[in-house]
Amino acid sequence: DAGITQSPRHKVTETGTPVTLRCHQTENHRYMYWYRQDPGHGLRLIHYSYGVKDTDKGEVSDGYSVSRSKTEDFLLTLESATSSQTSVYFCAISAISGTSGGEQFFGPGTRLTVL
Amino acid sequence: GENVEQHPSTLSVQEGDSAVIKCTYSDSASNYFPWYKQELGKRPQLIIDIRSNVGEKKDQRIAVTLNKTAKHFSLHITETQPEDSAVYFCAARETRAQKLVFGQGTRLTINP
Repeated sequence: DAGITQSPRHKVTETGTPVTLRCHQTENHRYMYWYRQDPGHGLRLIHYSYGVKDTDKGEVSDGYSVSRSKTEDFLLTLESATSSQTSVYFCAISAISGTSGGEQFFGPGTRLTVL
Repeated sequence: GENVEQHPSTLSVQEGDSAVIKCTYSDSASNYFPWYKQELGKRPQLIIDIRSNVGEKKDQRIAVTLNKTAKHFSLHITETQPEDSAVYFCAARETRAQKLVFGQGTRLTINP
């Protein structure tokens, strides 16, 4: 499972509350990603990071922010949760080294429900 | 940016038959094409990938082919088994950033 954990694994919250999801890796990989998965939409990239303090937006970044102050942790924050952000959130890492790699491995996911 | 289209969205085959899932991509500079399998309630798992310098890759009952000229790639599963039932996703990697763009997924059902 590439040493990736996510917390919490399940969360129910109310509209308008802030929510932070955590992704933790143990393999010291440079690239980390946050996706959301919704029926009919597959996996859509929210934000990604290519190093400590280096982040960029994905295709569905509105309403989300991220932070990466340490190599091993990548945080996703919903500043004010909305019902449209009810989804399953997956963190992923990319193992890049030399001429091989680039494979992306996913964490176990966080199921978020916004009431 | 890259755009990936995947077909069909659902596929049902008899156990023992072959299954083929097809994807097209838009960015000719994309150079890496992985396939993921996702079982119900689980994370996507990488099952096979192919890079743009080869045309075909096999791993036991699964194979992937890549046609760079036509910008499409396919997943082939032979001698299908009930445990092959899952949702399969293709993806293409943008070269200017280490980002994958995913297809919409194919729900594969293997009928006994």
